[in-house]
Amino acid sequence: DTGVSQDPRHKITKRGQNVTFRCDPISEHNRLYWYRQTLGQGPEFLTYFQNEAQLEKSRLLSDRFSAERPKGSFSTLEIQRTEQGDSAMYLCASSYWTGSRSSNQPQHFGDGTRLSIL
Amino acid sequence: QKEVEQDPGPLSVPEGAIVSLNCTYSNSAFQYFMWYRQYSRKGPELLMYTYSSGNKEDGRFTAQVDKSSKYISLFIRDSQPSDSATYLCAMSEEDYAGGGADGLTFGKGTHLIIQP
Repeated sequence: DTGVSQDPRHKITKRGQNVTFRCDPISEHNRLYWYRQTLGQGPEFLTYFQNEAQLEKSRLLSDRFSAERPKGSFSTLEIQRTEQGDSAMYLCASSYWTGSRSSNQPQHFGDGTRLSIL
Repeated sequence: QKEVEQDPGPLSVPEGAIVSLNCTYSNSAFQYFMWYRQYSRKGPELLMYTYSSGNKEDGRFTAQVDKSSKYISLFIRDSQPSDSATYLCAMSEEDYAGGGADGLTFGKGTHLIIQP
């Protein structure tokens, strides 16, 4: 079990550029989540997938943000026309959901991608 | 008022002390409660998760949930310098610990410092 992997670990870009982050979940996990964390705050939910279907989006996810999870494996989060306020740590988490409460598992997080907007 | 309140600290205690961390919340629909530890520039690491009210113990860590008071606690016994980190409480409204609609709701985190 290699855990949740995120790439890159740190991204520096100029305002107005597009950026894309990748997340590889724990291999048997069918749910994948994206969160954003700013300094001194807890992570805030952005969106989640069950297999390849995007089931929920937070109001924090503006139309400049898009996430995909083709084939229900890895996921990408793209931010278009980046703004200063997008500077944050972007965290990915995964979990296994059977639909049965008896075998629930909590979310496990990767080490995040730190985005810095110049 | 945020849904989950957590004192950001810092909380500084001597090595070997018992540490008490806590969160309060307002949403009575929360059913699953988690504690994560986060080191600087790393992702949150799951420490404990519990369902509804009650206690759970794992090594030096004990988690308590009091749903009637909307209050959860994490106790760390025999604290070590390596326990110095930010501790995040998290809660889920859905009926299983994996979260779901709206994901997990986190507190701001408490910065804990264990003095050698």
